Amino acid sequence: EDQVTQSPEALRLQEGESSSLNCSYTVSGLRGLFWYRQDPGKGPEFLFTLYSAGEEKEKERLKATLTKKESFLHITAPKPEDSATYLCAVQASNFGNEKLTFGTGTRLTIIP
Amino acid sequence: EAGVVQSPRYKIIEKKQPVAFWCNPISGHNTLYWYLQNLGQGPELLIRYENEEAVDDSQLPKDRFSAERLKGVDSTLKIQPAELGDSAVYLCASSSKPLAGVYNEQFFGPGTRLTVL
Repeated sequence: EDQVTQSPEALRLQEGESSSLNCSYTVSGLRGLFWYRQDPGKGPEFLFTLYSAGEEKEKERLKATLTKKESFLHITAPKPEDSATYLCAVQASNFGNEKLTFGTGTRLTIIP
Repeated sequence: EAGVVQSPRYKIIEKKQPVAFWCNPISGHNTLYWYLQNLGQGPELLIRYENEEAVDDSQLPKDRFSAERLKGVDSTLKIQPAELGDSAVYLCASSSKPLAGVYNEQFFGPGTRLTVL
C-alpha cells in the first residue's frame, strides 16, 4: 500500500537551532513531492515541488531535498515566525492524475 | 492576484441538518479540488473537477455528499444530512492546467470549519 509518513510528529527548537523534518514515502511512479506550510486556521501554503531524486530547492531558511525513498525539509537558523505545521504530499501515477496524498505533518515550534 | 476564496469560514449546525460550502478558485485555474481535513491529519481528497466535469469523486460519500461546478468556475459542496463525524475543515484548492506532463502546485483556500452538534 502506498504511504506517506512524516516524522517527527512535533518538534520544538530554540530560535537559531537548525534541524530537519523527514517525509518518507512508498509509492509507485512518483510524479512529484510537494511541501506545504500550514498555519493554524489557514489552508496549506505551497512551498516546494521536487520531481526527481537528487533535486534540491531553497527558499529563505528552508531547503528541501529528495531521494528515492524520502524527502527532507532542512530549516537553518529558524525564527519564531517559522512555527507552523509542515505537510508533505506526493503525486504518484498510481494515485491518478493530480491527486495529492498527504502525510499527517510535523508541527514545528520555534521558541524565542 | 486573489487567492482561493471560501465561505463561510465557520459553520455550526445540528446533526441531520443540511450544509453547503462555496469556493471560488483562482482566476484561470481549470482544476478545482475539495479536501477534508480532520484535526491532526493531512487533507484528504473528496472530489476533483476539470472545468465542470467531476473526474475523480471516488472518495466522496455519495449517500450524503454532493458537489457541483456548473459553469466551470466556482463550486459548491453540500452535505445532507450532516452527521457528527462530518465535523472537520473542508478545504478547496485549485491549480492550472498541467503542461507537458508536469503537474502544477495546488493553491488552497482558508477552509470552512464545520462543527456538527
